Amino acid sequence: QQQVKQSPQSLIVQKGGISIINCAYENTAFDYFPWYQQFPGKGPALLIAIRPDVSEKKEGRFTISFNKSAKQFSLHIMDSQPGDSATYFCAARGWSNFGNEKLTFGTGTRLTIIP
Amino acid sequence: SAVISQKPSRDICQRGTSLTIQCQVDSQVTMMFWYRQQPGQSLTLIATANQGSEATYESGFVIDKFPISRPNLTFSTLTVSNMSPEDSSIYLCSVEVGTGNEQYFGPGTRLTVT
Repeated sequence: QQQVKQSPQSLIVQKGGISIINCAYENTAFDYFPWYQQFPGKGPALLIAIRPDVSEKKEGRFTISFNKSAKQFSLHIMDSQPGDSATYFCAARGWSNFGNEKLTFGTGTRLTIIP
Repeated sequence: SAVISQKPSRDICQRGTSLTIQCQVDSQVTMMFWYRQQPGQSLTLIATANQGSEATYESGFVIDKFPISRPNLTFSTLTVSNMSPEDSSIYLCSVEVGTGNEQYFGPGTRLTVT
């Protein structure tokens, strides 16, 4: 129930196209859903995040769509650029057995933008 | 946001030895986290380290193997003890900042155990 399922595992998109990565969860206690971008050899960088009381959040070319009833959320990258080529992780915040908050991560999507 | 540094950035260690990883943050934070990321894989939470209290460990991780110190609000260490090749991984420090409870990650420590 603590899992977050992410798809696809890898994605190739042409420059200028829209990249879409999907995540699904089961635990309705999750209350915060961030997306991270990770380049090789670097730590994950917080990209954008959403709370379940909002259906969409947009920051520049990045948009999160959130469907609470379906327990799904997705990242859309508009006008994808070669510099967007990275691994993307969705995550969901819940609570551990100790009462600490805990981020559960998806399995990651390796995005490649081709010219 | 927060600027997080980790030392060392990478290391190659022999089986049976221990390595201590340092995490330094440029601002005072209450909650710090340690994660493990095996090559090409996702992130797994090892433990949560709050200043002034004992670290709490996730299932599958124990204090004897991964002792953590949190002496103040800007610093923490994670020790990987009695290492085996299975401990080869990237170890990441993370902190929570801001009213939105955002988590930010350090650059990671890439550990190879031979």
